[in-house]
Amino acid sequence: DGGITQSPKYLFRKEGQNVTLSCEQNLNHDAMYWYRQDPGQGLRLIYYSQIVNDFQKGDIAEGYSVSREKKESFPLTVTSAQKNPTAFYLCASSSPTQRSYGYTFGSGTRLTVV
Amino acid sequence: GENVEQHPSTLSVQEGDSAVIKCTYSDSASNYFPWYKQELGKGPQLIIDIRSNVGEKKDQRIAVTLNKTAKHFSLHITETQPEDSAVYFCAASRDYGGATNKLIFGTGTLLAVQP
Repeated sequence: DGGITQSPKYLFRKEGQNVTLSCEQNLNHDAMYWYRQDPGQGLRLIYYSQIVNDFQKGDIAEGYSVSREKKESFPLTVTSAQKNPTAFYLCASSSPTQRSYGYTFGSGTRLTVV
Repeated sequence: GENVEQHPSTLSVQEGDSAVIKCTYSDSASNYFPWYKQELGKGPQLIIDIRSNVGEKKDQRIAVTLNKTAKHFSLHITETQPEDSAVYFCAASRDYGGATNKLIFGTGTLLAVQP
């Protein structure tokens, strides 16, 4: 079945560490997105990518970085510059060219700073 | 900037009753309005969406209405069931038909359906 796989499901980070969250899709979708979810604040856009080797900052990109070397993959790195990284991170994809405008979400990664 | 407000933040209904969740958007150029359902520990799932050229859309027990003049849209769930209990998010985009579909989300509504 096609879908989006996020890993790991739970991740613990020590102060000062960089961590990378994985996002892989086999839907052949062109666009991919990273959102951060905090209680009471809904979903906020971190980065998005329209095509391979191209990505754009969202509303809260500071302290995060991404890459899009393959169409299927859009990893997110949470750097030590992100002062409050504890949150639920969601990856999504869509494909206007396939007339699939709604997002397909992964099951999320819960990141906790210890 | 673009903003989507969602109300109420929590909603409790009896099984069989109807539930209504309302959202207001700020960007008059918004042209696509999806609704997502998120169960505990999972990613959101698209349940229904509407484009700006349509005033209402229905899919079995759920429906969405759009008032472009007032810039608000609503989700209606009839004959609610316990499995409808979840967090519901509205969203808006001005990019429908474009290379990406950057969504601005509301803050979510926790719906509890009491048996």
